[in-house]
Amino acid sequence: DTAVSQTPKYLVTQMGNDKSIKCEQNLGHDTMYWYKQDSKKFLKIMFSYNNKELIINETVPNRFSPKSPDKAHLNLHINSLELGDSAVYFCASSQRDRGIERGYTFGSGTRLTVV
Amino acid sequence: SQQGEEDPQALSIQEGENATMNCSYKTSINNLQWYRQNSGRGLVHLILIRSNEREKHSGRLRVTLDTSKKSSSLLITASRAADTASYFCATDALAAGNKLTFGGGTRVLVKP
Repeated sequence: DTAVSQTPKYLVTQMGNDKSIKCEQNLGHDTMYWYKQDSKKFLKIMFSYNNKELIINETVPNRFSPKSPDKAHLNLHINSLELGDSAVYFCASSQRDRGIERGYTFGSGTRLTVV
Repeated sequence: SQQGEEDPQALSIQEGENATMNCSYKTSINNLQWYRQNSGRGLVHLILIRSNEREKHSGRLRVTLDTSKKSSSLLITASRAADTASYFCATDALAAGNKLTFGGGTRVLVKP
């Protein structure tokens, strides 16, 4: 029943490791996003895909690589993890009807801790 | 820098009181949205108000938008302990590439 689901919910890993976070939405939305929320609760967009096509790519280190195998899935792979990557990562999806935004649906987040 | 900035950063009220928080933004918008985030959870969409609308209601929530002042407010009436959460405004602006840009949030504590 979950509209936007992310796995894993928690991820603790050592510096230098490579890890992936997966996201799936069953809402039929065309657009999916990755947001990063830091310890001060600021949310910053990282990437956006529309129908498997990358449309937003903010200033994010090359170590972060998104992949959208189909419009219902958006994964995030992170290479060579650093302490500063520790944050909560949120996946979201949205749909514009006739060009009108209707609000985003967020997943419950993946808390990444790099030690 | 943040497109939307909330004020106050934190708010503590008694159950039954009203809670008001404000959001200011910098560029012209298509719409402004309010979200709630409970501790350790994802964001939940509350209300979307379009640039040509001035006021919107949803249950105990009332949102106003003043595009001349580039500001919005969220009012929660008759607050309940379950309203304790962080509330974020987010703007959808053409200048920002139609991506949703969030403010820093207002942390609301409703004491029983």
